[in-house]
Amino acid sequence: GDSVTQMEGPVTLSEEAFLTINCTYTATGYPSLFWYVQYPGEGLQLLLKATKADDKGSNKGFEATYRKETTSFHLEKGSVQVSDSAVYFCALHSGGYNKLIFGAGTRLAVHP
Amino acid sequence: EAGVAQSPRYKIIEKRQSVAFWCNPISGHATLYWYQQILGQGPKLLIQFQNNGVVDDSQLPKDRFSAERLKGVDSTLKIQPAKLEDSAVYLCASSLVTRNTEAFFGQGTRLTVV
Repeated sequence: GDSVTQMEGPVTLSEEAFLTINCTYTATGYPSLFWYVQYPGEGLQLLLKATKADDKGSNKGFEATYRKETTSFHLEKGSVQVSDSAVYFCALHSGGYNKLIFGAGTRLAVHP
Repeated sequence: EAGVAQSPRYKIIEKRQSVAFWCNPISGHATLYWYQQILGQGPKLLIQFQNNGVVDDSQLPKDRFSAERLKGVDSTLKIQPAKLEDSAVYLCASSLVTRNTEAFFGQGTRLTVV
């Protein structure tokens, strides 16, 4: 069945460092792809999304490009801040009913 | 706009007891999801409703878990009897039916089975 694989964490960075969190997927058809974020003590919320090949989603300085040829949707940010410390989940919509499938999550810790 | 409401926020029960969780989705959202999130893992979909019909329950342990969605609005998820391995956060989310729309999540219910 459809699935999402993320790089394992935790990822620990200094403030202003470059961030990449890898995400690859397996799916039939052409799923929509999402990054959700869970800040400490808060619920999951959408960070960005892309709905077709070569689309780039972006929000709060984060970007991810839908790469059909490599079945990937890697999350990047040029300069992270302490406030970006959170758990990041890659996800996809599967099937005709928008079944939402998540990866295992990657914890990011940013130090001053 | 009110978000997805869940209750209770925390619950501690003994194994073999029963427990129920309640979710009130965002008004107008036809799709409702229940997820189980074990510590350190990603959310695992247990059941998905569209209006009051089940469209996916392939990962719901049906011998002990049940869920219903009353009149296509509120939903309850029940576990009976609970096992130690059911300790997790149970998340409810809702979305519009339209493809590619985001899901909105509640704060979750943290269940501890002792």
